[in-house]
Amino acid sequence: NAGVTQTPKFRVLKTGQSMTLLCAQDMNHEYMYWYRQDPGMGLRLIHYSVGEGTTAKGEVPDGYNVSRLKKQNFLLGLESAAPSQTSVYFCASSSQGGEQFFGPGTRLTVL
Amino acid sequence: GQQLNQSPQSMFIQEGEDVSMNCTSSSIFNTWLWYKQDPGEGPVLLIALYKAGELTSNGRLTAQFGITRKDSFLNISASIPSDVGIYFCAGATSGTYKYIFGTGTRLKVLA
Repeated sequence: NAGVTQTPKFRVLKTGQSMTLLCAQDMNHEYMYWYRQDPGMGLRLIHYSVGEGTTAKGEVPDGYNVSRLKKQNFLLGLESAAPSQTSVYFCASSSQGGEQFFGPGTRLTVL
Repeated sequence: GQQLNQSPQSMFIQEGEDVSMNCTSSSIFNTWLWYKQDPGEGPVLLIALYKAGELTSNGRLTAQFGITRKDSFLNISASIPSDVGIYFCAGATSGTYKYIFGTGTRLKVLA
């Protein structure tokens, strides 16, 4: 039982490049979330999903897109990376209304 | 976006001392969570609280759901070096799938 996994762990992009971050969970959770963590800002919600095929915007969705084609996977895409998107990205999952369990994070640098 | 006020922002303590930190919100929450994050890792759930006034322990950690439902407290007794890290609170209102996170309390333990 791996819990929540994220790939890749690290990535460096140039401005304007695109990439996809993958989150996978094996706990059969309905809900999945993408957060970004910046120094002194805590965790801010980017997008979330309450079930397969559904997504919704969080607090800071601009510049990101997501997809939930399979219940166990939640993808976060950056179509045209900007330096302001340099951050640590965390995925989390939960059962309905329950505690959120986090992945180990992806450290992204945009030059 | 809304964030929780978490205090203190950081604290240095001697090994063996007790630690107290708190989280306050302008909104009423129905759930409070407390997480610990080690450097380079994702947040790990410590304690979940679901009822006003609830007091829950996890080893040397004790957390309380404030009776006003606008605050929560975390205490660590007899601190040890491995308690070093950042402690986050998170709150959610009933019927929502989204948690609001505090900005964290950075704990350093001096041996």
